[in-house]
Amino acid sequence: DIQMTQSPSSLSASVGDRVTITCRASQSISTYLNWYLQKPGKAPKVVIHAASTLQSGVPSRFSGSGARRDFTLTISSLQPEDAGTYYCQQSYSTPFTFGPGTKVNLK
Amino acid sequence: QVQVVESGGGVVQPGTSLRLSCESSGFTFSSYGIHWVRQAPGKGLEWVALIAHDGSDKYYADSVKGRFTISRDNSKNTVSLQMNSLRTEDTAVYYCAKEEFDSGDYGRHYFFDYWGQGTLVAVSS
Repeated sequence: DIQMTQSPSSLSASVGDRVTITCRASQSISTYLNWYLQKPGKAPKVVIHAASTLQSGVPSRFSGSGARRDFTLTISSLQPEDAGTYYCQQSYSTPFTFGPGTKVNLK
Repeated sequence: QVQVVESGGGVVQPGTSLRLSCESSGFTFSSYGIHWVRQAPGKGLEWVALIAHDGSDKYYADSVKGRFTISRDNSKNTVSLQMNSLRTEDTAVYYCAKEEFDSGDYGRHYFFDYWGQGTLVAVSS
């Protein structure tokens, strides 16, 4: 099975800050990488798919990059509604494993 | 609009069974794979199972293989997850998610574009 790791596990940032979260796969997954945001008590929502494709309706301050093993999710200017836990997920092969999550808090 | 609704959760004892359902509407159900994803209390997301659009292919996480069975009825727009020999570590909110895909260089890039609200399964003696 492909293992996913994320860093940091949590971060605190202010409104307007640039935020970067990284995700690493245990083997090459090309660009078969998705990012989800989950808010407390809610189901996750996809933010980025295929490593860099912005999901319809998601603000353009979100961007994704990377390929093979290393990936990055960037929020160019953090907004209050961006707080929550971000998960990366590989869809290269089943089981479609998730990373452990990165909790983004507002200062 | 697309809707995905899970049901069937509850409190059960270890070793017993439970059947979850996922009913969908607002899209051509028979054209899409459906996944189950679970989240233990205070923990991260764990992918559980996938059933292909026509039910021909099924995949499971190692943690549930041999105990859980995924099935679908395209005439009723429903996917079920039969959970047998339940363990305390199966306690979680179970989400049903619709699959979507992009076409990539090496095949389809799958992702989950619609999720249900989740149903809680608590396994406790």
